[in-house]
Amino acid sequence: AQSVAQPEDQVNVAEGNPLTVKCTYSVSGNPYLFWYVQYPNRGLQFLLKYITGDNLVKGSYGFEAEFNKSQTSFHLKKPSALVSDSALYFCAVRDRGNTGKLIFGQGTTLQVKP
Amino acid sequence: DTAVSQTPKYLVTQMGNDKSIKCEQNLGHDTMYWYKQDSKKFLKIMFSYNNKELIINETVPNRFSPKSPDKAHLNLHINSLELGDSAVYFCASSLGRAAYEQYFGPGTRLTVT
Repeated sequence: AQSVAQPEDQVNVAEGNPLTVKCTYSVSGNPYLFWYVQYPNRGLQFLLKYITGDNLVKGSYGFEAEFNKSQTSFHLKKPSALVSDSALYFCAVRDRGNTGKLIFGQGTTLQVKP
Repeated sequence: DTAVSQTPKYLVTQMGNDKSIKCEQNLGHDTMYWYKQDSKKFLKIMFSYNNKELIINETVPNRFSPKSPDKAHLNLHINSLELGDSAVYFCASSLGRAAYEQYFGPGTRLTVT
């Protein structure tokens, strides 16, 4: 079965430092991978996706993610963190079949301190 | 110009009651979804409709019944509410089912007392 794992419940980083939020996946076939962000009491916002092509994907708000097939990872990165980046981040993989179903990781809380 | 809207935003009700949550999208998408987010923030798909046809029906109690009157609307009706139904319910939509990202509504926080 398709699955994603986010090994860290929380990531703490100082403002201005680079940040990484980790995601690993387990799929059969080529993965369709997504990152979403959820601010408190809000819905999820799409950040970026990997479907095919360049392994480095650029998304909204200065975020990017690197697809690594050999390590089955899709880590989210940003060169310089902002306090306003503090939120809950979800990695997701599209399930097999043609339903569009997304399987989400358990989420990682990013805390950026001034 | 809200893309995906849900009503109500908050819903507090007693066990045994029946309630509905409404969702509307103005993005012209043809696929809509309902997700449940539990107290630990875990997200799980419940239902999905494509062009008013039910295409995902996860292991959800049959007290939950989705209804899609047209492509822009997907409502969720819940009968005989139980304490365990307390959660945040999110509606989402996408342009197709393949590689397209989903756009989420603001959520409905359901509290069953």
